[in-house]
Amino acid sequence: SQKIEQNSEALNIQEGKTATLTCNYTNYSPAYLQWYRQDPGRGPVFLLLIRENEKEKRKERLKVTFDTTLKQSLFHITASQPADSATYLCALTSGTYKYIFGTGTRLKVLA
Amino acid sequence: GAVVSQHPSWVICKSGTSVKIECRSLDFQATTMFWYRQFPKQSLMLMATSNEGSKATYEQGVEKDKFLINHASLTLSTLTVTSAHPEDSSFYICSARGGGGTEAFFGQGTRLTVV
Repeated sequence: SQKIEQNSEALNIQEGKTATLTCNYTNYSPAYLQWYRQDPGRGPVFLLLIRENEKEKRKERLKVTFDTTLKQSLFHITASQPADSATYLCALTSGTYKYIFGTGTRLKVLA
Repeated sequence: GAVVSQHPSWVICKSGTSVKIECRSLDFQATTMFWYRQFPKQSLMLMATSNEGSKATYEQGVEKDKFLINHASLTLSTLTVTSAHPEDSSFYICSARGGGGTEAFFGQGTRLTVV
């Protein structure tokens, strides 16, 4: 069956450091991979989308990589700030546009 | 980014009653809307996908007679939880995608508590 794993349920990092979150998937061939931020009691907020033929995408302090051979995406937040503390979700989409979400990683940036 | 508004943000209802949740795309036409359910510290579970003007497609295990979805216009979809029971208490989230777009934008979510 299709499976998406975000290998850290929780990640603590010191302010100013780079946070790296991992998303691995099996039994799936996504056309797109997306990262979302979710704060407690709120809906997810779209951050970045990367296509299967793209290796890397950047937006301000965010960087996403996508390795379809390893079936893995890495999500980086550089110069992390306490305001970056949230749960980060990866989501995969195939041609049907059905989104399958990972379980999320709770990031806490310590001041 | 595009804005999706979900209403209400929270609701408490008595067991046996029905509750309607609205999802509106404010600045784009949503050809497809998705409804999710999320339990505490768990990921989003897709309940159904709806395209404007057609019947919703429900995921396996989701009771379509219990969770009624209507996508009557390109900017509005509704989810009605019928004859709600305490086990239906959860966080319900909608998302919308415009024609040709690949990103899905989410509403703020609705916390449903059935007492």
